[in-house]
Amino acid sequence: QKEVEQDPGPLSVPEGAIVSLNCTYSNSAFQYFMWYRQYSRKGPELLMYTYSSGNKEDGRFTAQVDKSSKYISLFIRDSQPSDSATYLCAMWSGTYKYIFGTGTRLKVLA
Amino acid sequence: GAVVSQHPSRVICKSGTSVKIECRSLDFQATTMFWYRQFPKQSLMLMATSNEGSKATYEQGVEKDKFLINHASLTLSTLTVTSAHPEDSSFYICSATANGDEKLFFGSGTQLSVL
Repeated sequence: QKEVEQDPGPLSVPEGAIVSLNCTYSNSAFQYFMWYRQYSRKGPELLMYTYSSGNKEDGRFTAQVDKSSKYISLFIRDSQPSDSATYLCAMWSGTYKYIFGTGTRLKVLA
Repeated sequence: GAVVSQHPSRVICKSGTSVKIECRSLDFQATTMFWYRQFPKQSLMLMATSNEGSKATYEQGVEKDKFLINHASLTLSTLTVTSAHPEDSSFYICSATANGDEKLFFGSGTQLSVL
């Protein structure tokens, strides 16, 4: 079993839709959770950072962490064609290395 | 957010030559830097972790003599691909964290093509 599972997609939605992206994980030691956006042939860009459980909102983005279910989500409201990218979840226990999901490819259709 | 600068963005070289990629933290001191390799439509594969002033820790299966990593200062790490071959062609990305900060910031990546 992989430490982090993420549906690779692609996920296609119409412009203006609410997008839900998810990751599940198996290591209960993870404390820090991040979401990155990566455009083709570019480095990942940090979108959201959450420590432990709870919700965090930043503009059109909301990150949720449910440690009891080992499940994290990223919601994108009013999605735009410019949101079309690959979204990577990442997590860290505080020691050793960061663990990344495989990424979900999102396409927002105009 | 913190800025990590990576150069060059793209390099094409002949087989057998060495290529150096630079990674700089522009507005923070990067106590730890990571180097990743990414194949098309795949996730990030950690190659090595480096801390300023000490030898890099390589992941299993990564040849340390082929991928030389130097982290000589708190703002600069370099990856040198020695005697590059076509199978080394890939997208290489660096990332960095600051002391006491759990967030990981990435450079823009380097596309290496070995002919």
